[in-house]
Amino acid sequence: EVQLVESGGGLVKPGGSLRLSCAASGFIFSTYSMNWVRQAPGKGLEWVSYISSSSSFIYYADSLKGRFTISRDNAKNSLYLQMDSLRADDTAVYYCARDRVPVAANDALDIWGQGTMVTVSS
Amino acid sequence: EIVMTQSPATLSVSPGERATLSCRASQSVSSDLAWYQQKPGQAPRLLIYAASTRATAIPARFSGSGSGTEFTLTISSLQSEDFAVYYCQQYNNWPPLTFGGGTKVEIK
Repeated sequence: EVQLVESGGGLVKPGGSLRLSCAASGFIFSTYSMNWVRQAPGKGLEWVSYISSSSSFIYYADSLKGRFTISRDNAKNSLYLQMDSLRADDTAVYYCARDRVPVAANDALDIWGQGTMVTVSS
Repeated sequence: EIVMTQSPATLSVSPGERATLSCRASQSVSSDLAWYQQKPGQAPRLLIYAASTRATAIPARFSGSGSGTEFTLTISSLQSEDFAVYYCQQYNNWPPLTFGGGTKVEIK
């Protein structure tokens, strides 16, 4: 079964850090580009970051202003999001999501994890 | 950044009726447009990609159309499990990938 499972969310104080993980299974992880998408409580979907299959291309939403770092370990079938200098408006469910087509530069997101909740509060 | 605008924000439909959801892009995205369904407490699910192609295992009652800046998602006969929030997303001109604000389809 093709699956993505996020972990690492939790409660963190403003200014703190958190590292999210996304474990992939059921497909050849190393051939797919991956994304992080977040959803604040009661709000819509917001794209956060993208990483190509070999980590050659990495992009972020401008709103993050260098606070987040995406990475992946293809040997471990895992995707990561390091989040630093967290703010209250980073509070959201964070989803990892797979590009539909392997190796493609851009496509729809066909597989999503169940999400992990990040709460930034003092 | 391409802005995606969905309308209406809420659509009240009776089971068995047809639902038509709209999505407009601030500039042309060709056919690089996807639709997602999200139910409460669940992750989004891909319904349509390339504006009109149904994703794997998506029922035929879901159809997508349009190109350029105007897109439509049609649910031909609403079933109880179709009441949800629907999002459009463009992947033509990025980063960033951008989503519409969503349309909530509720029971009339």
